[in-house]
Amino acid sequence: GAVVSQHPSWVICKSGTSVKIECRSLDFQATTMFWYRQFPKQSLMLMATSNEGSKATYEQGVEKDKFLINHASLTLSTLTVTSAHPEDSSFYICSARGFQQGRSNQPQHFGDGTRLSIL
Amino acid sequence: GNSVTQMEGPVTLSEEAFLTINCTYTATGYPSLFWYVQYPGEGLQLLLKATKADDKGSNKGFEATYRKETTSFHLEKGSVQVSDSAVYFCALTRYSGNTPLVFGKGTRLSVIA
Repeated sequence: GAVVSQHPSWVICKSGTSVKIECRSLDFQATTMFWYRQFPKQSLMLMATSNEGSKATYEQGVEKDKFLINHASLTLSTLTVTSAHPEDSSFYICSARGFQQGRSNQPQHFGDGTRLSIL
Repeated sequence: GNSVTQMEGPVTLSEEAFLTINCTYTATGYPSLFWYVQYPGEGLQLLLKATKADDKGSNKGFEATYRKETTSFHLEKGSVQVSDSAVYFCALTRYSGNTPLVFGKGTRLSVIA
C-alpha cells in the first residue's frame, strides 16, 4: 500500500531554533499534501494544504511566516517551524494524496507524525 | 461546512465487552466516511471506510455502516481486547483534489483486562 514517511519522528530543541520536518510519499506521487497539528488529547487541526509547485494554502489563524511549507516535488513536502517557541510544541502530522488518471477518489495517506518539543 | 461529531470520551470497557462509538456528520452531497485509529505515541492508521450510503466498512472485527438517513457512521466491535486501547477518529472527505479529511475530536478507548 501507499506509504508516507515523515522525518524526524521526535525533535527537542531550544527556543529560537528553526526546525524542518520532511514528508515523503515513497511509492506514489503526491499531488496534494496536508499538514495537521495535534495538541495533547485533541483532534487533528488542518494547518495548510499544498500542491506540488505552488504556494500552500493556510487555514485561518495559521501564520504562514511561522510555518513555512514547501512542496517542491511530487514526493516531498517540508514544514519548517521558524524561530520555534515553547507554544509551538505539538505533534505535527503530514498527509499525502496521490493522483491517478481517471480516478478521483484517491485517499489520504498519513505519516507517523513528528513530536516537536521546544525548551 | 462539513463537520464530524463523535461521542465524548474517555470510554473504559472490560475485555470482551461490546463497543459502540457514535459518529454523526454534516456535509453537502455524498462524502466518504472513515474511522482512523491512533495508538499511543503513533500517527494515524486507517481502520475502515465507506464511500456510499449503506456501505459497511469492516476491519479487525470493527464495523461501521454508512447511514445516510441518520447521517451517522457509528463504530462497533463485538468483543474488545486490551490491544484495542487507542484514540478513534471519525472523519469525512469529499475526495476532491484539495479537500482534506475533516476529523471529529476523537474518542479515547481504554480496555482493561
